Amino acid sequence: NAGVMQNPRHLVRRRGQEARLRCSPMKGHSHVYWYRQLPEEGLKFMVYLQKENIIDESGMPKERFSAEFPKEGPSILRIQQVVRGDSAAYFCASSPREGAGYGYTFGSGTRLTVV
Amino acid sequence: GQQLNQSPQSMFIQEGEDVSMNCTSSSIFNTWLWYKQDPGEGPVLLIALYKAGELTSNGRLTAQFGITRKDSFLNISASIPSDVGIYFCAGQPGGSQGNLIFGKGTKLSVKP
Repeated sequence: NAGVMQNPRHLVRRRGQEARLRCSPMKGHSHVYWYRQLPEEGLKFMVYLQKENIIDESGMPKERFSAEFPKEGPSILRIQQVVRGDSAAYFCASSPREGAGYGYTFGSGTRLTVV
Repeated sequence: GQQLNQSPQSMFIQEGEDVSMNCTSSSIFNTWLWYKQDPGEGPVLLIALYKAGELTSNGRLTAQFGITRKDSFLNISASIPSDVGIYFCAGQPGGSQGNLIFGKGTKLSVKP
């Protein structure tokens, strides 16, 4: 039973390029949460999605960031026109039900570096 | 916004010693979770707490959810070198749909 799979593990982008981060939830999990972690900081919630729906995007920057979780395929976090301040580790977590107490499992993250 | 204050920020201990760390908040949380993060990896769940006053153990780890639902502690007994890492507390606020608020972490170093 594979865990939450994120790819790529490391991503380098030049300023102004687009970054696409993928997250495949655990089998049977239809709830996906994305978090961002800056160096020496805790994780900060960005967005919560269920299949084909964005449930809570209160932590997403209003511009350049978008997320989707299509009926088929992984969840995608997309950052357009990246800037140096977007450099961080991005983690997704999946859960079989809404709520953090039901086997909420994190992936190993994607480390984005903007040069 | 809601915040979790985690302390201490870092700890340097000798192998075999016991460790205690805690988290406080000015807000009430429904669920408290303790995670460990190794370098280059995602957080791994150690203990989940659901009820005020709940005391839960997982091997050498013990955690308690405060009566007021505004604090929690994590104890590690008889530390070993593989306990090294960053420990995070996280809380699910009332009314949220599963998003967590994380503390800034306690970095634990263990000297053999």
